[in-house]
Formats: sequence, structure tokens, C-alpha cells
Amino acid sequence: NAGVTQTPKFRVLKTGQSMTLLCAQDMNHEYMYWYRQDPGMGLRLIHYSVGEGTTAKGEVPDGYNVSRLKKQNFLLGLESAAPSQTSVYFCASSPGPSPLHFGNGTRLTVT
Amino acid sequence: ELKVEQNPLFLSMQEGKNYTIYCNYSTTSDRLYWYRQDPGKSLESLFVLLSNGAVKQEGRLMASLDTKARLSTLHITAAVHDLSATYFCAVISGGSNYKLTFGKGTLLTVNP
Repeated sequence: NAGVTQTPKFRVLKTGQSMTLLCAQDMNHEYMYWYRQDPGMGLRLIHYSVGEGTTAKGEVPDGYNVSRLKKQNFLLGLESAAPSQTSVYFCASSPGPSPLHFGNGTRLTVT
Repeated sequence: ELKVEQNPLFLSMQEGKNYTIYCNYSTTSDRLYWYRQDPGKSLESLFVLLSNGAVKQEGRLMASLDTKARLSTLHITAAVHDLSATYFCAVISGGSNYKLTFGKGTLLTVNP
């Protein structure tokens, strides 16, 4: 059972480039989330989804877009990468008010 | 806006000692989570606390919740090196979107 799978694991971008991070879960969970983790800041919610076809903004949504076209996938897009978006990105899913299941993270560096 | 504060943010302790990590949150919530993160790894769920007075224990870790004080504690008993990690508390927002707001984490280092 794979759980939550994030791709890619590592990525280096130049300022202004775009990219998409993919999150896939095989647990049939309704809720999916994208967080970013920065040193000393904990995890901050970027966007989330409460079901297929829905998305909503979290605490730090600027510069990111998301889509949930299929229940199992939650995509995070960076339209024009900036050095401030250098971070570790975690995707998570849950069936409801229960502990989140996290992916292994994507380490993104923007130069 | 829900705010979650942990303290201390850094904790260095000797093996065999006891210590407590505190987690305060700003608005009413009906559940609180504790997670562990090893360096370079993902987050692992430790405890879910669902009601006032709830206490959960696993090995040398014990978590408790006081919803009236909006306070949770994670108590470490007779620390061992394997407990070295970053510990996060997280509180669920109200409503049906089940958003978790995380504290900044406590980096625990247990020294021999």
C-alpha cells in the first residue's frame, strides 16, 4: 500500500520558471492538503481540497495554484517561481477529522 | 485566526531525564494532534486527543489535553537518544474542512 506519493522528490528551478508537483493517494481519502515547511516556521497550509473538483486557499496561497480533477490526485503549480518559494513541500490526505497521512516531501530550490 | 504556539522550540536534554513540551492554541478546538518528524523525513502521527482531560501514552511519551486552558502537553519520561526528533502539535479548525494549524515544532536532542 503506497499511501501518499509525491513526485518529484527534488527539483531546482530558476526564477520565473514554472512547475507542477504531483500528489497521489491510494486510500480513497476525501481531503487533501499542500503544506510548505520552512526552518523555524513549522508547516503552513498553502491550499487544500475537501473533495474531487474542489479547492480552497490556506494560509499562504499566493504564487501557487492547485487542481483536484481526480479524487486521488492533488496538483500544486508554481506559475513563476521565486526564491521565496524555496522550501520543502508536503502533501497530506485524510478521510476526515483524523490524523493526516503525509507524503515524503518535495525539496524545491529556486535560484 | 487560529494560532498554535509551542515551547520550548529547542530542547537539549540528557538521557534518563524527564521534560515537558507545551502547546497552547488560541481558539476553541475539539481535537489536537501530536506528530514526530525525523531529520529529512516525513511526519508521523503520534497521538490524537479528542476531549478535555484526554491522556494518551505510548512508551516514554505521554500527551494530555486541557481544552479549557487550550493547552496540551507532551511529557517525556526517562529520555533516550531514539527520541531525538522534532515534535509538532497541530490543532484542527472548526467547520468541516478539517484544516490543521501546526505549531512551529520543538527540536528535541537527547544526549548520552
